[in-house]
Amino acid sequence: SYELTQPPSVSVSPGQTASITCSGDKLGDRYACWYQQKPGQSPVLVIYLDRKRPSGIPERFSGSNSGNTATLTISGTQAMDEADYYCQAWDSSTVVFGGGTKLTVL
Amino acid sequence: QVQLVESGGGVVQPGRSLRLSCAASGLTFSSYGMHWVRQAPGKGLEWVAGIWYDGTNKYYGDSVKGRFTISRDNSKNTVYLQMNSLRAEDTAVFYCAATTVTTGTPYFDYWGQGTLVTVSS
Repeated sequence: SYELTQPPSVSVSPGQTASITCSGDKLGDRYACWYQQKPGQSPVLVIYLDRKRPSGIPERFSGSNSGNTATLTISGTQAMDEADYYCQAWDSSTVVFGGGTKLTVL
Repeated sequence: QVQLVESGGGVVQPGRSLRLSCAASGLTFSSYGMHWVRQAPGKGLEWVAGIWYDGTNKYYGDSVKGRFTISRDNSKNTVYLQMNSLRAEDTAVFYCAATTVTTGTPYFDYWGQGTLVTVSS
């Protein structure tokens, strides 16, 4: 079955750029999306179709996808961005989530 | 605004059944594919099942195939998850999620608040 691999944790200083990767076999040949989940809350879509931002998502969130890796980039990271982030793709009629990355802003 | 409200969670013994419901409002329900995603305590997201906007196609994760059944009633703007032969490892918060994508990679624009299912004797 298809697998997506994320680093368990990423740390970033306020105002700096955070990059969260998601790796999967030929992931760049399919679309990836990203969700943000804060403690006790439901996930929120922050990036879809590799690089599109839903309405209401700040411009500091961006995405890319090439080769075997999709990347979520948060520019000018703010304390409010501290959360778990999940990538997601689609393979053989199955939705696949990455294991999640805890972003710490310190 | 769009609301997805799950219900039907609770404590159930191993081997028993439970049916979850997700009532949608604020969107044209019959145009959205609907999915169930679960999250075990302290763990990540796991996709459970999905159903096309018109109910003609259904998909399941390997861990629930043959035990869970997804269905929908577009006249009631509701999607269901029938869960049979429940196991302790099914303990999780179950979210329903909606997608406008009809072909290719679905992404979930809307999520419910989740309902907790606890499987324990």
